[in-house]
Amino acid sequence: DVKVTQSSRYLVKRTGEKVFLECVQDMDHENMFWYRQDPGLGLRLIYFSYDVKMKEKGDIPEGYSVSREKKERFSLILESASTNQTSMYLCASSLLGGDLYEQYFGPGTRLTVT
Amino acid sequence: TQLLEQSPQFLSIQEGENLTVYCNSSSVFSSLQWYRQEPGEGPVLLVTVVTGGEVKKLKRLTFQFGDARKDSSLHITAAQPGDTGLYLCAGGLGNLIFGKGTKLSVKP
Repeated sequence: DVKVTQSSRYLVKRTGEKVFLECVQDMDHENMFWYRQDPGLGLRLIYFSYDVKMKEKGDIPEGYSVSREKKERFSLILESASTNQTSMYLCASSLLGGDLYEQYFGPGTRLTVT
Repeated sequence: TQLLEQSPQFLSIQEGENLTVYCNSSSVFSSLQWYRQEPGEGPVLLVTVVTGGEVKKLKRLTFQFGDARKDSSLHITAAQPGDTGLYLCAGGLGNLIFGKGTKLSVKP
């Protein structure tokens, strides 16, 4: 079974703080993704990575950065947290290539910025 | 731009009822996935459909991919409270496009 873990289930931070969200997968997947999920807006892609040290912007990268130093780990960084970044953050991984493009998600981090 | 539209947006039913939710697009997809997300958790992959006209069954859940590979449906027979959750469809190449989901509530 694919396992994707996220460093925290719940996080409360203050405006202006630097926030790190960590994601680790144990299935040797090449692709990793960060989404945020908000009511009425669905899942929105923030950043993704197809390989170590490689990153690509998704649909809403503003205010975020990412780091992928090892294949199994993909970190999302909020340089200066703002209240509009309060959301559910989901990490996912998938195999590169093939026909199915199935993604496997972590349990999510509920981030509140006050 | 590829879009996936899901309907209905919300569904509240009694235990034992049958239901169908839909995922539609004007674009052709090589495959579509269905996920279920329970409150406070990440989405869990239920099934992938690949061939036009394909039907897949997962216990009381039946998934169908349209002949033209532009739409899919999920039918649940004799719904149970444990089926409660957000059902998402997704498709695409590499980066998946997600529908906004159908939020299902099954009352005992």
